[in-house]
Amino acid sequence: DVKVTQSSRYLVKRTGEKVFLECVQDMDHENMFWYRQDPGLGLRLIYFSYDVKMKEKGDIPEGYSVSREKKERFSLILESASTNQTSMYLCASSLALGGRMKFFGPGTRLTVL
Amino acid sequence: GQQLNQSPQSMFIQEGEDVSMNCTSSSIFNTWLWYKQDPGEGPVLLIALYKAGELTSNGRLTAQFGITRKDSFLNISASIPSDVGIYFCAGIPRFGNEKLTFGTGTRLTIIP
Repeated sequence: DVKVTQSSRYLVKRTGEKVFLECVQDMDHENMFWYRQDPGLGLRLIYFSYDVKMKEKGDIPEGYSVSREKKERFSLILESASTNQTSMYLCASSLALGGRMKFFGPGTRLTVL
Repeated sequence: GQQLNQSPQSMFIQEGEDVSMNCTSSSIFNTWLWYKQDPGEGPVLLIALYKAGELTSNGRLTAQFGITRKDSFLNISASIPSDVGIYFCAGIPRFGNEKLTFGTGTRLTIIP
């Protein structure tokens, strides 16, 4: 069974903290993605990566950075967490960049106090 | 970034009823996808559409790729309790870098 796992299901952090969200996929996919999901806004792309050490900005990259040192792992970093970054974060992976067969992780619900 | 307009935002229906939802865009897409997100889980792909006018079924689910390439529809027949969740449309634009654009979601609740 294909799998995308995320390091935490729930996370509570304080304003100004540095936050790391980890995502691991076991499907040998080239492409990995980070989205945030907010009520009424759907899923919005933060960053994506199509290869190790490669990254591209999505639609809302401000306040975030990413790291892809290994093919199976894609990390989302909040350099200095703020309350408006309270959200559900979803990681996904796919073979093709268009993502017809995009597999999602279960999500991390981050609360920034 | 562009977003797709999805409606309705939420639906409250009784078990056994049929469900319809749609997604519209101001620009053309060459692929439409429909995802379902169960509570506490990530979205899972239900149906993919690749051609204008295409009608595709997956069990009780039927989706259509609009002729104008600017819209798509999802129907669920004879709803059952496990249909509860959030349904998202997503599109890949005709021109551009092939990134997926998601709709705002339709939350389906089934009243016992």
